[in-house]
Amino acid sequence: EAQVTQNPRYLITVTGKKLTVTCSQNMNHEYMSWYRQDPGLGLRQIYYSMNVEVTDKGDVPEGYKVSRKEKRNFPLILESPSPNQTSLYFCASSLGPGQPQHFGDGTRLSIL
Amino acid sequence: GQQLNQSPQSMFIQEGEDVSMNCTSSSIFNTWLWYKQDPGEGPVLLIALYKAGELTSNGRLTAQFGITRKDSFLNISASIPSDVGIYFCAGQRSYQLTFGKGTKLSVIP
Repeated sequence: EAQVTQNPRYLITVTGKKLTVTCSQNMNHEYMSWYRQDPGLGLRQIYYSMNVEVTDKGDVPEGYKVSRKEKRNFPLILESPSPNQTSLYFCASSLGPGQPQHFGDGTRLSIL
Repeated sequence: GQQLNQSPQSMFIQEGEDVSMNCTSSSIFNTWLWYKQDPGEGPVLLIALYKAGELTSNGRLTAQFGITRKDSFLNISASIPSDVGIYFCAGQRSYQLTFGKGTKLSVIP
């Protein structure tokens, strides 16, 4: 089954403790992206990747890092999480530019 | 970042009624997409539009890509209870996807 898988689905942690949210897709998609969803603000793009080793900033990249060492994986890294990064995060992938993106089921992060 | 204006923000309708929602932007997009999000899940693609003026249907859903490439609408005909959820429009240009803030749909049986 074609899918985008995120882990963990839920995480409660404390300020400053590094964390990584993993994202994996099994569709051989070139493009992957991370979004955060906040009440009243909708989904905002954090980072995206056009292919292996090629990444770029979205609208809200501050406080986040990403890497794309393999085509199927696109982890989101919070080096020093802060409470304003408490949010619902989604990973998405697509075949390429202009192609519809398919989303994972989300990761709810709470930073205390 | 760019902004998409999606309206209405929320709506309550009777089962069987038709629904219409729209998105406008100050920028041109090459692709318009409509997603639906159920609680606890990620957005699911409903309809993708690739050409200005394109009108596309998916069952009871119909969406159009505006001629100016700055707007799109989604219609749902004969609503049913499972249509409840949040509907998002999204404008895509190359690798960047910009979302509207969503329309929360409630259907009264």
